[in-house]
Amino acid sequence: DAKTTQPTSMDCAEGRAANLPCNHSTISGNEYVYWYRQIHSQGPQYIIHGLKNNETNEMASLIITEDRKSSTLILPHATLRDTAVYYCIGVNAGGTSYGKLTFGQGTILTVHP
Amino acid sequence: NAGVTQTPKFQVLKTGQSMTLQCAQDMNHNSMYWYRQDPGMGLRLIYYSASEGTTDKGEVPNGYNVSRLNKREFSLRLESAAPSQTSVYFCATDRGLGYTFGSGTRLTVV
Repeated sequence: DAKTTQPTSMDCAEGRAANLPCNHSTISGNEYVYWYRQIHSQGPQYIIHGLKNNETNEMASLIITEDRKSSTLILPHATLRDTAVYYCIGVNAGGTSYGKLTFGQGTILTVHP
Repeated sequence: NAGVTQTPKFQVLKTGQSMTLQCAQDMNHNSMYWYRQDPGMGLRLIYYSASEGTTDKGEVPNGYNVSRLNKREFSLRLESAAPSQTSVYFCATDRGLGYTFGSGTRLTVV
């Protein structure tokens, strides 16, 4: 699975968009980019995933660069409840990895009033 | 509600004691996973089960055993607990479009 690199921490004002970057320069052609978040003391929560195209759901948008070496998770209107650790993960959909998640340190996003 | 249920939520063990962490899912997914999370760290995979009747080691399997009892249940056993196994344990299931995690078991070994 691709190694991902994320900033250790980021701040965002409530109501503004939070843009969380992730570098995955070694990602292979069949690896998806997944985003999860973990609010303090809770189990991780799936946010969104994508392969090549940009994706949007009710929680967030995912922008993947054309060369697939990096991506950005966008929370369009951050709220205090979005304060969490955000993980960007490369997931091989097949082969021996069988979709196992390898979690790094993630980005601590703090949303301020 | 559909989801992943873990029991117990909290447990304190003495060194050398054994216990089994239970996990059950009602989402009819084939694959299930056990992770541990130490303070300030990301999650690390202990064991996983691709389908009923199969289990495989993850990144940190030493000191643990698992049983995939049926499609719904995947248990994690500590035969002789050690202080290094103090952690939060998460069970998860996956249908290929994102994991669903349980709320975790906080285990302290003294």
